[in-house]
Amino acid sequence: QTVVTQEPSLTVSPGGTVTLTCASSIGPVTSAYYTNWLQQKPGQAPRPLIYSTNDKYSWTPARFSGSLLGVRAALTLSGVQPEDEAEYFCMLYYSGAQPHWVFGGGTKLTVL
Amino acid sequence: QVRVQESGPGLVRPSGTLSLTCTVSGDSISNDIWWTWVRQPPGKGLEWIGEIHHRKGTFYTPTLRSRVTLTVDKYTNQFSLNLNSVTAADTAVYYCVKGGDWRFGPWGQGTLVTVSS
Repeated sequence: QTVVTQEPSLTVSPGGTVTLTCASSIGPVTSAYYTNWLQQKPGQAPRPLIYSTNDKYSWTPARFSGSLLGVRAALTLSGVQPEDEAEYFCMLYYSGAQPHWVFGGGTKLTVL
Repeated sequence: QVRVQESGPGLVRPSGTLSLTCTVSGDSISNDIWWTWVRQPPGKGLEWIGEIHHRKGTFYTPTLRSRVTLTVDKYTNQFSLNLNSVTAADTAVYYCVKGGDWRFGPWGQGTLVTVSS
């Protein structure tokens, strides 16, 4: 069974920069995984931020960016705001005879 | 503006079948879109359940493939989830999502389904 791994928790100061990563148990994450990143705050539905590794939605703040970092996908927040405190989930696409998507376990980001 | 909204029973008995419907407004269920279900057990992470395209078929997560069925109804512009032989582990908030072009959104607000006797 494929496992997608994220840092369980990270802490960042307001105005700082933080990078969240997303790894696949079967090998390096590439653009073929079409990485998605979503933000979820307590009691709310997830809000998509990034798709296809580094594409943004019209509502995605400029301080959020997606990339590939070594063998992982990454979400970087530059100039963190207090309202960025949330859980962040990555999502990877696995192709093949039975294509499917797999979520990472999520990263709880604390702005302190 | 596209909107999706889940509906269905909030309580299901163990060994029974969980059935949910997602109503789509602002878009057609027959467009080139993968209509998707995601769930989230209380206090836990997200799980992709599966997706359906009106013409291209369905795909499911391997862990639920033997128990889940997705369908679309072009006349009511809805898509549905059926999950059989449920246990307490299937208790979760279930979300329907518009997918396609490698992106996911909008999301429904989610509906909590509890499996309990």
